[in-house]
Amino acid sequence: SAVISQKPSRDICQRGTSLTIQCQVDSQVTMMFWYRQQPGQSLTLIATANQGSEATYESGFVIDKFPISRPNLTFSTLTVSNMSPEDSSIYLCSVSWQAAYEQYFGPGTRLTVT
Amino acid sequence: GQQLNQSPQSMFIQEGEDVSMNCTSSSIFNTWLWYKQEPGEGPVLLIALYKAGELTSNGRLTAQFGITRKDSFLNISASIPSDVGIYFCAGQFVGSGGSNYKLTFGKGTLLTVNP
Repeated sequence: SAVISQKPSRDICQRGTSLTIQCQVDSQVTMMFWYRQQPGQSLTLIATANQGSEATYESGFVIDKFPISRPNLTFSTLTVSNMSPEDSSIYLCSVSWQAAYEQYFGPGTRLTVT
Repeated sequence: GQQLNQSPQSMFIQEGEDVSMNCTSSSIFNTWLWYKQEPGEGPVLLIALYKAGELTSNGRLTAQFGITRKDSFLNISASIPSDVGIYFCAGQFVGSGGSNYKLTFGKGTLLTVNP
């Protein structure tokens, strides 16, 4: 496994603003993913962060709302743009290595939009 | 798309009791994963299963990959208060070429252990 950190750990933001969440891993990984966990709910995949190319988004998620960057094999960012209260959730990054299929999760970023 | 049904939704048990929870899918998976999430934390991987029929243990936890590849169960023996949390199953279907790592998660089982 690896040590995965996320910044910020939590934030309270105003409607209409944007927040960028960082995910840092202490070793190189093949795959990085971003998930959303709405209050009391399960995890839903937002997108796969691809190094050097555009992220692959799941149905219902678009790049304009959730732009993602992955400049190298240890770092990725997710931006939640033009936020509304419905965006209040926990945002989690996860990582995996090509040789195995397990995914390991960061601690999450708890976002509240007022 | 693939759907996972996880049951029970919640469990309230006495310390020392055994616990069983399961997940069923509408379609087959290559991999089953079980995670535990505690308040304020990200999910922690407990057990990974890769082959139909596989039975794997991690301490007091035992999980099995169903023969049909559409189900999995997790057992916890002799529960203790620190077992409290939400347990999620997750299934993964990796198509030809190994390009799809998407996990589909169950809705979770909330476990409460009464000391």
